[in-house]
Amino acid sequence: GESVGLHLPTLSVQEGDNSIINCAYSNSASDYFIWYKQESGKGPQFIIDIRSNMDKRQGQRVTVLLNKTVKHLSLQIAATQPGDSAVYFCAEGRGLTGGGNKLTFGTGTQLKVEL
Amino acid sequence: DAGVIQSPRHEVTEMGQEVTLRCKPISGHDYLFWYRQTMMRGLELLIYFNNNVPIDDSGMPEDRFSAKMPNASFSTLKIQPSEPRDSAVYFCASRRLAGGTDTQYFGPGTRLTVL
Repeated sequence: GESVGLHLPTLSVQEGDNSIINCAYSNSASDYFIWYKQESGKGPQFIIDIRSNMDKRQGQRVTVLLNKTVKHLSLQIAATQPGDSAVYFCAEGRGLTGGGNKLTFGTGTQLKVEL
Repeated sequence: DAGVIQSPRHEVTEMGQEVTLRCKPISGHDYLFWYRQTMMRGLELLIYFNNNVPIDDSGMPEDRFSAKMPNASFSTLKIQPSEPRDSAVYFCASRRLAGGTDTQYFGPGTRLTVL
């Protein structure tokens, strides 16, 4: 029979616009969250992370927002560029400092930047 | 500094054959992870090591899969015998507990096709 793969949600934005990618996480005990970018044919690449004692963290052109009340994570990319086109994964972890290491990855969002 | 190195990058084999995937973590990292990525199931953790010792292998699908880490700079993931459903991209990642970051750094992956 025909196999059914994961249907990745897709976000299309115009070059120069801001992008917001959302993620709902499942475990209220998770205390570490991370965003990865994966380009076609490559491994996931770290973008930014945040611990549960924070609700916002900024990097270069990227901002991660954490809302623990509704278990929601978002990645904001400012002035989106063609090189930002990729699949973006959020991941959650628990007790990472001191030995816990298991990250649970979301299914990913495909970001397409239109010229 | 070189990132995580994986070999081979592509592997095509026939059902029933033994497959060995190799990984060299980033120097100084004390955690090593093996993941599998498929369209059906996304990115799944198979097993991880700390200081060359397997800590959690609950993600290993079945006895056909085995992983070893004989020293701090080398790990293997072996599938024997391989089956078509093992076709996937296999990623190795490493992490250093010290240094104030929990980031896992991924290699480029090995694309395995079992015919």
